[in-house]
Amino acid sequence: AQKVTQAQTEISVVEKEDVTLDCVYETRDTTYYLFWYKQPPSGELVFLIRRNSFDEQNEISGRYSWNFQKSTSSFNFTITASQVVDSAVYFCALSPSNTGKLIFGQGTTLQVKP
Amino acid sequence: DTAVSQTPKYLVTQMGNDKSIKCEQNLGHDTMYWYKQDSKKFLKIMFSYNNKELIINETVPNRFSPKSPDKAHLNLHINSLELGDSAVYFCASSQRGRNYGYTFGSGTRLTVV
Repeated sequence: AQKVTQAQTEISVVEKEDVTLDCVYETRDTTYYLFWYKQPPSGELVFLIRRNSFDEQNEISGRYSWNFQKSTSSFNFTITASQVVDSAVYFCALSPSNTGKLIFGQGTTLQVKP
Repeated sequence: DTAVSQTPKYLVTQMGNDKSIKCEQNLGHDTMYWYKQDSKKFLKIMFSYNNKELIINETVPNRFSPKSPDKAHLNLHINSLELGDSAVYFCASSQRGRNYGYTFGSGTRLTVV
């Protein structure tokens, strides 16, 4: 079975706190892609990052960082020094290489309070 | 320039009506998709077309019929609309290869009353 689990349904933090959003995936494919998307209150899906299964290097982009660990099938997302504008629903998704479709997790709603 | 554009953005209609949502991409991608986001925010693929050929059909009721006149367009026609069809529908496109990209449109909020 191919599946993505985001166990945290809602997270609430105060501005400037660091926050980590968990993502655990299941697949038997050896080649696959992992994505994170942000969905702000306005509703669009904003692409954040794509990782392929052969690239386990962690990535940092400004206040955002991602930790990909194949050993635990996890692709976690950390926001450092959170801001109110980070308030959104965040989705982790798996793309098996032979289908092209995205399998989404349930999403994590992040609320950053001033 | 909007990469993946879908129209209309909002659609309110009565049960039993037939409606269409249009999608166009100018990225030169070879694959297009329709996703449905339900009231609990869960996103699930409905259809996928590659170069005008249907390649994914995820057990969607046959009241939903996608049509791809060319690889830059993928429209979604829905017959006999039901209350449960109320959702946000997202179009997306992708291109395999070294720079595998996956771009979504801004969504169409369909409300059936």
